[in-house]
Amino acid sequence: TQLLEQSPQFLSIQEGENLTVYCNSSSVFSSLQWYRQEPGEGPVLLVTVVTGGEVKKLKRLTFQFGDARKDSSLHITAAQPGDTGLYLCAGAYSGTYKYIFGTGTRLKVLA
Amino acid sequence: NAGVTQTPKFQVLKTGQSMTLQCAQDMNHEYMSWYRQDPGMGLRLIHYSVGAGITDQGEVPNGYNVSRSTTEDFPLRLLSAAPSQTSVYFCASSYKGPPGSNEQFFGPGTRLTVL
Repeated sequence: TQLLEQSPQFLSIQEGENLTVYCNSSSVFSSLQWYRQEPGEGPVLLVTVVTGGEVKKLKRLTFQFGDARKDSSLHITAAQPGDTGLYLCAGAYSGTYKYIFGTGTRLKVLA
Repeated sequence: NAGVTQTPKFQVLKTGQSMTLQCAQDMNHEYMSWYRQDPGMGLRLIHYSVGAGITDQGEVPNGYNVSRSTTEDFPLRLLSAAPSQTSVYFCASSYKGPPGSNEQFFGPGTRLTVL
């Protein structure tokens, strides 16, 4: 059973637009991570959020962890073609090293 | 540092054949894991290890075996390949730390096709 649901699954936008990707769960996570994966490569970590309500910024990317630590969002401001890729959220089952990944959001930014 | 390396990059097997996917890391990471990635499914954990001699099952372990005799290596064995095992396989490693807190470094993947 997939416990991390991401939405939307696909997103195609024009350069300069803003977007938000959501990662939702019915379970509480001690922390959540966001990865980006480009074609033919493994995922690369963008950020880890650990505190409920936490907001982290990475240049034009803003990550938020829900107050109840069951959900997270990724907001991209003024998207660029270089942001194109598959975005994955991930978390570990409470107290274990069993990671689960979300279903992914495939983003395409058109020039 | 080479990071996480995986071999082979591509493999085609016939149903019933066995093979081993190799994974090695040179970062002295305690934690290593294997995932498979299928279209629309994200990554699913197959097996993981928190140190040499210690392994545990992930979400989809059936049909796969692992062992961890050294810190550096974590091979994944397919016992009797089935078409359902056609997938892209990723190996990852990280420092152990609190669960979910450490960055996982991924290898480049092995694309496996089972006919």
